[in-house]
Amino acid sequence: DAKTTQPTSMDCAEGRAANLPCNHSTISGNEYVYWYRQIHSQGPQYIIHGLKNNETNEMASLIITEDRKSSTLILPHATLRDTAVYYCIDGRDDKIIFGKGTRLHILP
Amino acid sequence: GAVVSQHPSRVICKSGTSVKIECRSLDFQATTMFWYRQFPKQSLMLMATSNEGSKATYEQGVEKDKFLINHASLTLSTLTVTSAHPEDSSFYICSAFMGGTDTQYFGPGTRLTVL
Repeated sequence: DAKTTQPTSMDCAEGRAANLPCNHSTISGNEYVYWYRQIHSQGPQYIIHGLKNNETNEMASLIITEDRKSSTLILPHATLRDTAVYYCIDGRDDKIIFGKGTRLHILP
Repeated sequence: GAVVSQHPSRVICKSGTSVKIECRSLDFQATTMFWYRQFPKQSLMLMATSNEGSKATYEQGVEKDKFLINHASLTLSTLTVTSAHPEDSSFYICSAFMGGTDTQYFGPGTRLTVL
């Protein structure tokens, strides 16, 4: 079973920031937090990952709490193309077990 | 980002035939690749871990004699669905682990339909 918990679905207005939460209370000290997203009928797309520090790339920002038990993925200016299922995963160089993820709807 | 390809993207076959799906890491070497299956409206389910030069490790409930995995090189893993039946119809997705970034990158998926 997946080790993370996420809300089933979220809505966000186009142009606004989308903040997707994730709980990973059993994460080990050397495990990363990874975020992927899956657009309908495509393979998952890597977004970002982090260990302890907050991370930012051209797609998103990742905010990890100090105790590392939860994190938030931030899409700064959501567009309709960001409509997808977003998966938060904790792990390292081993197999990824997917949970149900968060279905993000971007509203025009 | 790193690119992983799959071929074919879509295949339709008759019941009882075998189908081979290829997964390639195009711009990096991957000692470990993974195979997933996804049914409609469900999440990805890990089938097996494919290690270059050794036997694959299958998840519980996945028949190793039905889903043959070969990882003959650092850039290629293949999944063969043997004696396919309609219940094997699914979306098959592979991923490749890139050691330098500690990240898995996924292929675009292969949609298998067994008639």
